[in-house]
Amino acid sequence: EVQLLESGGGLVQPGGSLRLSCAASGFTFSRNAMSWLRQAPGKGLEWVSTIMGDGGIRWYADSVKGRFTISRDNSNNTLYLQMNSLRVEDTAVYYCAKQVGAPGVEDYWGQGILVTVSS
Amino acid sequence: DIQMTQSPSAMSASVGDRVTITCRASQDINNYLAWFQQKPGKVPKRLIYAASSLQSGVPSRFSGSGSGTEFTLTISSLQPEDFATYYCLQYNSYPRTFGQGTKLEIK
Repeated sequence: EVQLLESGGGLVQPGGSLRLSCAASGFTFSRNAMSWLRQAPGKGLEWVSTIMGDGGIRWYADSVKGRFTISRDNSNNTLYLQMNSLRVEDTAVYYCAKQVGAPGVEDYWGQGILVTVSS
Repeated sequence: DIQMTQSPSAMSASVGDRVTITCRASQDINNYLAWFQQKPGKVPKRLIYAASSLQSGVPSRFSGSGSGTEFTLTISSLQPEDFATYYCLQYNSYPRTFGQGTKLEIK
């Protein structure tokens, strides 16, 4: 059974940093691209970033480019999102998700973790 | 970037109704479109991928169709558990983009 468990969220001041983690199990982690997506309170879904299985290629939404960095540790089946220079508008529930297929599309999502950026 | 325009943004319907939700892409996305269902406070669940392929375990009353730039999600006979928000997602290219969502409410 696929399981994705996010951690590392919480309250941070504008301009601050936070690192999210996503522990994966139930599939061969290194074979799948992985994504971060988010949902601001009361709003729709937004794709944030994707990293290929070997970590060689990464994509970012314009809204986070230059501030967020996606990475992965295939030896520990863990996905990361380093978030720097956080803004109030980054407040959201952040989901990690597994991609499948080519082109990849998200199938399984984690439960999500809340990040609140506020002074 | 590819823009996804989803309609309607909200609708009300009754149990047993046939419902159709539409998503239009600003350019050809081939068939690289998925539909997700999200209930309040819950994780999005994939219903359809590749425009018309039903995700394993999803009831057959859900179906997807379309190609190129226009796509539809149809629920053939609404059940009480189907009242939720639905999103389309294009995965033809990066950045991935979602439609704005359709909130389906009970009439």
